[in-house]
Amino acid sequence: KAGVTQTPRYLIKTRGQQVTLSCSPISGHRSVSWYQQTPGQGLQFLFEYFSETQRNKGNFPGRFSGRQFSNSRSEMNVSTLELGDSALYLCASSLDPRGMGVFFGQGTRLTVV
Amino acid sequence: EDKVVQSPLSLVVHEGDTVTLNCSYEVTNFRSLLWYKQEKKAPTFLFMLTSSGIEKKSGRLSSILDKKELFSILNITATQTGDSAVYLCAAPHNSGGSNYKLTFGKGTLLTVNP
Repeated sequence: KAGVTQTPRYLIKTRGQQVTLSCSPISGHRSVSWYQQTPGQGLQFLFEYFSETQRNKGNFPGRFSGRQFSNSRSEMNVSTLELGDSALYLCASSLDPRGMGVFFGQGTRLTVV
Repeated sequence: EDKVVQSPLSLVVHEGDTVTLNCSYEVTNFRSLLWYKQEKKAPTFLFMLTSSGIEKKSGRLSSILDKKELFSILNITATQTGDSAVYLCAAPHNSGGSNYKLTFGKGTLLTVNP
């Protein structure tokens, strides 16, 4: 069974640009969540989607948005990039409602210059 | 706000040593606690603990939960250099039926020297 797949793996953008990251969950998993990981803040929750609906949102500005498609694939978008957005962005998938674990993709390393 | 605190933040041991990593939590409507190992990119799932006092074991790794004292420990026996990684503890936020907003601790960086 294929794991969680994220694309691209690496990305370099300049300040002010926008970026879209993609995530394909494990087959059969309908919940997709996104996390930002930085050395200073650790892993922080961005948002979670289930059946194309955002169910939870973390404490991030409105520049961070996401969506989920009918096939459970998800995208997150960051507009007007800032240097502080440089981070590893991790996508995780899980069965719902009471899954037996949350499984992570390899992440997208975003560098904003 | 949910809180997960791990200790120590870093640990250096020699191959063959046994280590204990700690995780304490304050979580509304607690359901479970998860342990992950992160080497380079993706955190890989180790254990999910829901019941107090029941040890979960996988090879040289084991973990146990104490719901009364609100903590969990992860033990690694006979450590190997391949155990070097960041070990993360996380608790799902349990609200409205969704179990998938995880609050993570800062992690414990374990370095196993040959």
